[in-house]
Amino acid sequence: KAGVTQTPRYLIKTRGQQVTLSCSPISGHRSVSWYQQTPGQGLQFLFEYFSETQRNKGNFPGRFSGRQFSNSRSEMNVSTLELGDSALYLCASSLTGQGLQPQHFGDGTRLSIL
Amino acid sequence: QKEVEQNSGPLSVPEGAIASLNCTYSDRGSQSFFWYRQYSGKSPELIMFIYSNGDKEDGRFTAQLNKASQYVSLLIRDSQPSDSATYLCAVHSGGGADGLTFGKGTHLIIQP
Repeated sequence: KAGVTQTPRYLIKTRGQQVTLSCSPISGHRSVSWYQQTPGQGLQFLFEYFSETQRNKGNFPGRFSGRQFSNSRSEMNVSTLELGDSALYLCASSLTGQGLQPQHFGDGTRLSIL
Repeated sequence: QKEVEQNSGPLSVPEGAIASLNCTYSDRGSQSFFWYRQYSGKSPELIMFIYSNGDKEDGRFTAQLNKASQYVSLLIRDSQPSDSATYLCAVHSGGGADGLTFGKGTHLIIQP
């Protein structure tokens, strides 16, 4: 059974640009969550999607957005990139979310802002 | 604000000994608890999860939960050098909660 797939693995952008990251969950998983990991702040929750709807959102500015498609694949978009957005962005999937089952993480997308 | 606290370490344990990792959480309504292992440069890998008070064992790993004390622990028996990694404690409050809340992790070193 394939795991969570995230693309691309690495991205280099400059300030002011925007970026879109993609996540394909484990087959059968309908909940997709996104997290940002930085050395200083650790892992922080961005948002969760279930059945194409954003169910929960963490404490991040509106520049961070996402969506989920009918096949449960999800994308995350960051607009007007700032230096502080440099981080590892992780996607995690679970069957139905809301902490009822464990979340499984993809390999992440490492985003560097120059 | 929900918080999860872990000792950052490094925690150094001799090979073959028991490694004990601890975690406390602030939200008394927390319902599910997870331990992830993260090697340097890699993504978190699920090790254990526990929902009820008491112990849960899986191979060399035992998770312990005490909701009254708001305390979760992970024991690793017969520690191996390959267990050297950062261990992340994560907590979920269920329902409409804001996803998993993670601790900053404990860096574990198993000395051969």
